[in-house]
Amino acid sequence: DGGITQSPKYLFRKEGQNVTLSCEQNLNHDAMYWYRQDPGQGLRLIYYSQIVNDFQKGDIAEGYSVSREKKESFPLTVTSAQKNPTAFYLCASVAGTYNEQFFGPGTRLTVL
Amino acid sequence: KQEVTQIPAALSVPEGENLVLNCSFTDSAIYNLQWFRQDPGKGLTSLLLIQSSQREQTSGRLNASLDKSSGRSTLYIAASQPGDSATYLCAVRPPTDSWGKLQFGAGTQVVVTP
Repeated sequence: DGGITQSPKYLFRKEGQNVTLSCEQNLNHDAMYWYRQDPGQGLRLIYYSQIVNDFQKGDIAEGYSVSREKKESFPLTVTSAQKNPTAFYLCASVAGTYNEQFFGPGTRLTVL
Repeated sequence: KQEVTQIPAALSVPEGENLVLNCSFTDSAIYNLQWFRQDPGKGLTSLLLIQSSQREQTSGRLNASLDKSSGRSTLYIAASQPGDSATYLCAVRPPTDSWGKLQFGAGTQVVVTP
């Protein structure tokens, strides 16, 4: 089945640690995105990538980093510089010329 | 800057009643608008995508309308069922960036009571 997978589903981080969230898609989509969701708020864009080896900052990129070495993979690293990383993180990709966006199941990150 | 608003934030209806969900946006220059459903602790599921040239889209019991001039979209769910209980989000895409960067509303949490 084609789709977007994210791992792990739950992640716990200690203060000062960097953690990496995985996002893989087998939809052959060119563009991929990372969003952050906080309770009662809409999704906010962290980073996006339109092609391999290229990515752009979104609205809240500070404290995060990404890489896009393969078309199907777009990992997100939450660094110790991110002051309030506890949130639900969603990965997405864009399909075809109509730009319908599809989402993965999400990773919930909690800072201990 | 584009702002997307969904009112009310929460809604409860008895089973069988039609649901009407609202989405408003401040800049009418949009590429398209997408409606999503989100179950607790889950990712977003795409429901309908309306291009800027379209007035409405339909899928089963779902119908979404778009009025760009007034900056509004409405999602109608006919004959609601308890399984329709979820949070519904709308998102708009600006015309200057056709590769994404959706601007999301905060969502409307819907409860359908049996």
